[in-house]
Amino acid sequence: NAGVTQTPKFQVLKTGQSMTLQCAQDMNHEYMSWYRQDPGMGLRLIHYSVGAGITDQGEVPNGYNVSRSTTEDFPLRLLSAAPSQTSVYFCASSLEGTSYFTGELFFGEGSRLTVL
Amino acid sequence: AQTVTQSQPEMSVQEAETVTLSCTYDTSESDYYLFWYKQPPSRQMILVIRQEAYKQQNATENRFSVNFQKAAKSFSLKISDSQLGDAAMYFCACITQGGSEKLVFGKGTKLTVNP
Repeated sequence: NAGVTQTPKFQVLKTGQSMTLQCAQDMNHEYMSWYRQDPGMGLRLIHYSVGAGITDQGEVPNGYNVSRSTTEDFPLRLLSAAPSQTSVYFCASSLEGTSYFTGELFFGEGSRLTVL
Repeated sequence: AQTVTQSQPEMSVQEAETVTLSCTYDTSESDYYLFWYKQPPSRQMILVIRQEAYKQQNATENRFSVNFQKAAKSFSLKISDSQLGDAAMYFCACITQGGSEKLVFGKGTKLTVNP
């Protein structure tokens, strides 16, 4: 029973480098999302998807790209990393999709990213 | 868009005692859901309790209960018989219906449980 799996758990990047945070869920959830967590800021929504082929922006989308080619996977791409993107990133999924999202999310364990 | 405010950055409680964490929210929608999530030191977020705005009865899950005051837009979490394992960050969150699939979180309250 894997749930939501995020890789890598830790990553150090240099400014300007690119990378992809992977997220996979095996629960056949329609809804998937990415949050970043910063001290004193709580969790802020970056991007979300209500189903394969559909993505939309959250509160803080700048500097991040996403795609949803399958139901299971929702990778988060940093094209040119900046120190301001140093954070802990969480992927979360939910069974509900566009029909009626009640917000009950299942979270991955998080990925700590440091940009030097 | 909705907003969620947690005014207590940190709280502490003695083991076996009761503690209440505060949360206020603001939304113009009439149909919404409220949540409390727990984040232990292991970092993984876990749903503690959920409240539907259309329900007048306060939600309860074992030692966890909420005090939902719709008119005041208040949603506090009460933890009874606190245990050492309750030590964690607690986040209040809100989602509105009607086309928005965005769950908005407060900034969190760090709960310490003293033995």
